[in-house]
Formats: sequence, C-alpha cells, structure tokens
Amino acid sequence: AQSVTQLDSHVSVSEGTPVLLRCNYSSSYSPSLFWYVQHPNKGLQLLLKYTSAATLVKGINGFEAEFKKSETSFHLTKPSAHMSDAAEYFCVVVPVGGYQKVTFGTGTKLQVIP
Amino acid sequence: KAGVTQTPRYLIKTRGQQVTLSCSPISGHRSVSWYQQTPGQGLQFLFEYFSETQRNKGNFPGRFSGRQFSNSRSEMNVSTLELGDSALYLCASSLEGTSGGTGELFFGEGSRLTVL
Repeated sequence: AQSVTQLDSHVSVSEGTPVLLRCNYSSSYSPSLFWYVQHPNKGLQLLLKYTSAATLVKGINGFEAEFKKSETSFHLTKPSAHMSDAAEYFCVVVPVGGYQKVTFGTGTKLQVIP
Repeated sequence: KAGVTQTPRYLIKTRGQQVTLSCSPISGHRSVSWYQQTPGQGLQFLFEYFSETQRNKGNFPGRFSGRQFSNSRSEMNVSTLELGDSALYLCASSLEGTSGGTGELFFGEGSRLTVL
C-alpha cells in the first residue's frame, strides 16, 4: 500500500521570499517520487523527480527537493518565489517494479503576493 | 517531439449520454494512463494501458472503460453519464509505465467534461 500526504492545502508567500511545500509518503515498494505543477485549466507539468539516485534533486524554474528516507519526506523548495510560480503543486508517488497505482497528493495551492 | 494530445478539450453532455475521449501519447511511449480530477476528490487514477492490455484499474464503476490501440493511442468511454462525472480527465503517457524505467508521466492538457 502507498500514500502521499501534502501537509498544506494552501501556502501564501511574498514575491522574492522562499517557498516550502511539504510532502510525506509511504510505499511498500521502492518508489519514484515526483513533483508536478498545474496551472489553471492545464495539464500537469513535471518539476522534478527522485529515482533513487541523488537525494537532492534539482528541477526546472529553480525548484529543488530533498528525499529524506528516515523522515519519509520529499519537500519542495525554491529560494525566491516569482509571481509565475502561483499554481497548484502535486506530490506524486509512482511505484517502480510493481504493478501498483500511481498515487497523487491532494495538492498545494501556492499564492504569491506581490 | 510532440507532446500528449487529448481531444476534445471541452465538451458538454447531458445525463444518460455517453462520451468518448481520445489520447495520443508521445511517440514511442507504450503506456497510457487516465485520471479524473475534480475539486472534491482531487486526482484519481482510472486505469493504465500498456501494449493494448489494461494493466491496472482504479476504483471506478464499470461505466468507465478504456482501450488502447496498436499505435498506443487510447480512448476512454463513460456511459450513462451522471452529474458527478463532470471533471477534467487527464491522460498521461510514459515509456514503460510503472513496471520499469523511472515511471515519469507526461500529461496532456486534459478534456474538460461538463454533464448537465
């Protein structure tokens, strides 16, 4: 069994300040972990992925995430928020090596205040 | 390289009708999966197809069905539409799906279904 918990449904930051979006997971299989971003009425775009290589993963648009196995966390960060970062972010667990289902977090809506 | 293409992008149906949505994956991708996104339930997995075989299925009633063709294009069908079927239906493709590779999913922009 697997699950994903995004700890905040809404996060509000000022432009230029750091962003932290939190994700905890559990999985019976060795998972791949992803962060996706969704702008209104659009599909999901991949920000970054963890696939059991380096634990600190760098993605597009200045985002990065750190895989912490001991804490079962995969939090998404960005040093300085930009207005264009306002969107909804999804943490996703994909079990690799098993015919299990993809599991999405419930999403975190990021608001960036000018 | 073209991305994942979903058609139609928007459609309106009435209760009791049926609908067919289409998804063309990225060239070379053999796995296509479908997801329903609603404000109340979030993103939920519908099913995954790999080389024309349904490999996994989510917890949806039998009114939701799908298939994959030899060229990897996929369709999903919803029969006897209900108001609660109003949603954004997203399709994603990947090289190997969840049985290998990294499991990375490439999403289309979705088909927004409104049931009146």
